[in-house]
Amino acid sequence: GIQVEQSPPDLILQEGANSTLRCNFSDSVNNLQWFHQNPWGQLINLFYIPSGTKQNGRLSATTVATERYSLLYISSSQTTDSGVYFCAVVPYGGSQGNLIFGKGTKLSVKP
Amino acid sequence: DTAVSQTPKYLVTQMGNDKSIKCEQNLGHDTMYWYKQDSKKFLKIMFSYNNKELIINETVPNRFSPKSPDKAHLNLHINSLELGDSAVYFCASSREQGQYNEQFFGPGTRLTVL
Repeated sequence: GIQVEQSPPDLILQEGANSTLRCNFSDSVNNLQWFHQNPWGQLINLFYIPSGTKQNGRLSATTVATERYSLLYISSSQTTDSGVYFCAVVPYGGSQGNLIFGKGTKLSVKP
Repeated sequence: DTAVSQTPKYLVTQMGNDKSIKCEQNLGHDTMYWYKQDSKKFLKIMFSYNNKELIINETVPNRFSPKSPDKAHLNLHINSLELGDSAVYFCASSREQGQYNEQFFGPGTRLTVL
């Protein structure tokens, strides 16, 4: 089955710093989502981005489907950005739409 | 208004018991899912379900059974609970079944089996 690898596994930032999180996938996909799991355990939708670039405030994401990767950019990080960031994909031909998750990047933003 | 809701938020129970977790979505979506997050935070699909088809992940024990009274609800029933069932269970929904649909997740239910 498809492999979803996220890097780095852990990231510590000072408040105000910028960061880039990466998601590589081993096969073609038709759906890619980025989630933030906050310290209270909630999974928050960040982006639905099977291809192209999107921006939402301080966050933006780019997926290059032909090269099988996606990037999540966080600018001017805040302590509230702390948590785990997950990339999840639906493989090409995955008719039932089940998301396959990476292991996540744990982000800690220090004040 | 909460789009996808789950009850209870926490569930502590003894080995061998039977328990249910409820999920409701008010998004008008056709497809609902159950995912399990283990102690290492890894998320894995358990079921997907719409009004036509139940897809069961082959690794899910048959002690787990989803029950859908209507399109807006997908409950998870677990028989003969085991220690290894301790995890966080997330319900999700999407507009349709298929690969081109964004999924939205509930707040999760933390199940602890003693």
